[in-house]
Amino acid sequence: DAKTTQPPSMDCAEGRAANLPCNHSTISGNEYVYWYRQIHSQGPQYIIHGLKNNETNEMASLIITEDRKSSTLILPHATLRDTAVYYCIVRVAGAGTASKLTFGTGTRLQVTL
Amino acid sequence: EPEVTQTPSHQVTQMGQEVILRCVPISNHLYFYWYRQILGQKVEFLVSFYNNEISEKSEIFDDQFSVERPDGSNFTLKIRSTKLEDSAMYFCASSVGYQPQHFGDGTRLSIL
Repeated sequence: DAKTTQPPSMDCAEGRAANLPCNHSTISGNEYVYWYRQIHSQGPQYIIHGLKNNETNEMASLIITEDRKSSTLILPHATLRDTAVYYCIVRVAGAGTASKLTFGTGTRLQVTL
Repeated sequence: EPEVTQTPSHQVTQMGQEVILRCVPISNHLYFYWYRQILGQKVEFLVSFYNNEISEKSEIFDDQFSVERPDGSNFTLKIRSTKLEDSAMYFCASSVGYQPQHFGDGTRLSIL
């Protein structure tokens, strides 16, 4: 799986958009970009994933550059409950694949009042 | 929304003892995983399981570890003879193939 690079920490004011960047310059054509977060010591929580198109769900938006070498997770209106470590993970995916997730150190997002 | 449940939430065991961590994956999921996270460190993959056999395992998953799906609902991780360094949070996850993995809230294993 391709390696990802994320800033170690970021701050965001409550109510503002949080934009979390991720570099994955060695991504292959069959690799998806996944985002998870971990609040305190809870289990990682799935947020969103994408292959090449931008994606949006009720939690966040994922913007993937055209060359797929980087992406940005956007939390449109961050709240204190979004304070967590956010992981950008590249993973091969296909039918019948039980491929593992390889977690890095992620970005620690601190949302403040 | 269906979720992965893990029991117990906290397990305290004497070194050298066997421990079994239990997980109930999401009911229609077919792929099962165990990960662990030593305090302050990254989440690490241990093993994946599909069709009643191990699909992949990491270097951490040595002969002291085993997994089993004893019935249609549970997925267990057994550590035969625990060591101090096995102290960690253990997370179970499940997925429908290539769909995202969903994690439980973990079992904190403390080895004394």
